[in-house]
Amino acid sequence: NAGVTQTPKFQVLKTGQSMTLQCAQDMNHEYMSWYRQDPGMGLRLIHYSVGAGITDQGEVPNGYNVSRSTTEDFPLRLLSAAPSQTSVYFCASRKDRVGYGYTFGSGTRLTVV
Amino acid sequence: LAKTTQPISMDSYEGQEVNITCSHNNIATNDYITWYQQFPSQGPRFIIQGYKTKVTNEVASLFIPADRKSSTLSLPRVSLSDTAVYYCLVGDSGGYQKVTFGTGTKLQVIP
Repeated sequence: NAGVTQTPKFQVLKTGQSMTLQCAQDMNHEYMSWYRQDPGMGLRLIHYSVGAGITDQGEVPNGYNVSRSTTEDFPLRLLSAAPSQTSVYFCASRKDRVGYGYTFGSGTRLTVV
Repeated sequence: LAKTTQPISMDSYEGQEVNITCSHNNIATNDYITWYQQFPSQGPRFIIQGYKTKVTNEVASLFIPADRKSSTLSLPRVSLSDTAVYYCLVGDSGGYQKVTFGTGTKLQVIP
């Protein structure tokens, strides 16, 4: 049981490049979310999913796309990277059950130059 | 989601009990209160969740008064390894919630 696995751990992109941040969980969790955390700040919700085939926007969705074709995977796509997207990105998942919090991945540190 | 207010930072000596209070005046009937811990360069970790009165687990206790407008996370006998940021969240755990983390409380444990 690996929990929530994020790849890569570090990435440097040039402005305008695109890439996909990978997130996978092996806990059969229904809910999955992507957050970004800027230095000294809390986490802001980018996109979330309540199950395979169902996604919706969070607080800061612009510049990002998601899809959820399986329960296990929830990739985050940066369409055209900008320096403002330099941040640490966390993926999280949760059971659809009271009493269970989110399980977070270890994060992807992204720098856009 | 109910807005939460918690202290920006706290200092404590090793071995002391630490209480971090979170205010959530607009908490709704269905809302649960959840606390997370985040170490540098790691994702947040779920600590404890409660609805009313008191909840205790192997890591912490959560005290919630009858009016539920605030809650207190209690960490017994802290050690240096408890130095972290602690987030208080309020929301409906009965289904999906658009959970937003505030800036949290930065706890510094001093030797």
